[in-house]
Amino acid sequence: DAGITQSPRHKVTETGTPVTLRCHQTENHRYMYWYRQDPGHGLRLIHYSYGVKDTDKGEVSDGYSVSRSKTEDFLLTLESATSSQTSVYFCAISVTRGTDTQYFGPGTRLTVL
Amino acid sequence: QQQVKQSPQSLIVQKGGISIINCAYENTAFDYFPWYQQFPGKGPALLIAIRPDVSEKKEGRFTISFNKSAKQFSLHIMDSQPGDSATYFCAASGSGYSTLTFGKGTMLLVSP
Repeated sequence: DAGITQSPRHKVTETGTPVTLRCHQTENHRYMYWYRQDPGHGLRLIHYSYGVKDTDKGEVSDGYSVSRSKTEDFLLTLESATSSQTSVYFCAISVTRGTDTQYFGPGTRLTVL
Repeated sequence: QQQVKQSPQSLIVQKGGISIINCAYENTAFDYFPWYQQFPGKGPALLIAIRPDVSEKKEGRFTISFNKSAKQFSLHIMDSQPGDSATYFCAASGSGYSTLTFGKGTMLLVSP
């Protein structure tokens, strides 16, 4: 998976609890992305980063925040998890912006009870 | 509008047949059209991509056909094999964009 790891790989949590997912890359790519994948909805962009401390919202950013304090790490936080945030979360990286190949991590399956 | 509409949602093809997945876009600023392939339990991976300076791009059994005037592009898988069974996503972007817009995906099953 192109030097991308995601942790945890699986998590079950309860409604109202905070959750942080981590994406770590060893490729030194500038761009990092967080997606969620749900049946019937495909891949939807949550947030992305174009450099350390530089982030922007995607189409489904409500209820999520991100941070990037180092080039290699991109954190996704659910401040207060809800059942609607049960999903598979993918991190992706790319060297440059939208017209460049995105390399995806293995995913994190999150279940919110 | 930055939507990319993909069809069909699912597809069953016999081994050796041709699989065809279609996508349509609205934003005329898009000039990069990749296809991603995703196997169960894995992240998506780039399969093939095209830019609008050509109408067709072929890599092995996989071909992208592009129709700029209709704002449509399609993926053709020739001689489909059971190992091609996966979910396929089309996507679009442009030089002025930082992100990809994905279609909703097509689940392809190639029966032996």
